[in-house]
Amino acid sequence: AQSVTQLGSHVSVSEGALVLLRCNYSSSVPPYLFWYVQYPNQGLQLLLKYTSAATLVKGINGFEAEFKKSETSFHLTKPSAHMSDAAEYFCAVSPSNDYKLSFGAGTTVTVRA
Amino acid sequence: DAGVIQSPRHEVTEMGQEVTLRCKPISGHDYLFWYRQTMMRGLELLIYFNNNVPIDDSGMPEDRFSAKMPNASFSTLKIQPSEPRDSAVYFCASSQQTSGVNEQFFGPGTRLTVL
Repeated sequence: AQSVTQLGSHVSVSEGALVLLRCNYSSSVPPYLFWYVQYPNQGLQLLLKYTSAATLVKGINGFEAEFKKSETSFHLTKPSAHMSDAAEYFCAVSPSNDYKLSFGAGTTVTVRA
Repeated sequence: DAGVIQSPRHEVTEMGQEVTLRCKPISGHDYLFWYRQTMMRGLELLIYFNNNVPIDDSGMPEDRFSAKMPNASFSTLKIQPSEPRDSAVYFCASSQQTSGVNEQFFGPGTRLTVL
């Protein structure tokens, strides 16, 4: 079975500072990994995905994530936080031969002016 | 493209009443998912369809919940009878099989409150 663990339910950063959201996965097969963002009162939106190609994945809005097999991690980063980045972020995993996503508990990001 | 459409956006009902949530997936997508989101349990997959056929309903909490997909452009999630613990945001998502990767597009959700 596949699962993800997001470390830290809340992250607070200053505007312009680095955003780092941690995600560790558990999978018996090479996984497909995703980061989704949920803005208040909206559905989830895909930020980026890892599908066994390049280990450094670039997504929308300046976010990127690096797949590290040795650490079973897929951490999300953004060099400089913007006020519009305030949202909840979900890491998700899917086995390569199935279409179900298993989501982490989510990390809420607040950005201080 | 209009994206995934859900209706209603908000529903308030009394315990024991029947509730029907509706979803229109993105045209051409052949997978449809129903999720429930609560503070306590996070985001849970309830059921998903492929080409209008239910594939996995193991996440449906009880027999009070049922889902149908009569055609490629419409799905319903029904709760009968509803209970206060069903209060949650229900999301519908759709996807298209592309290179075997599941990239889901979510609707805005229906916020259900059962009094």
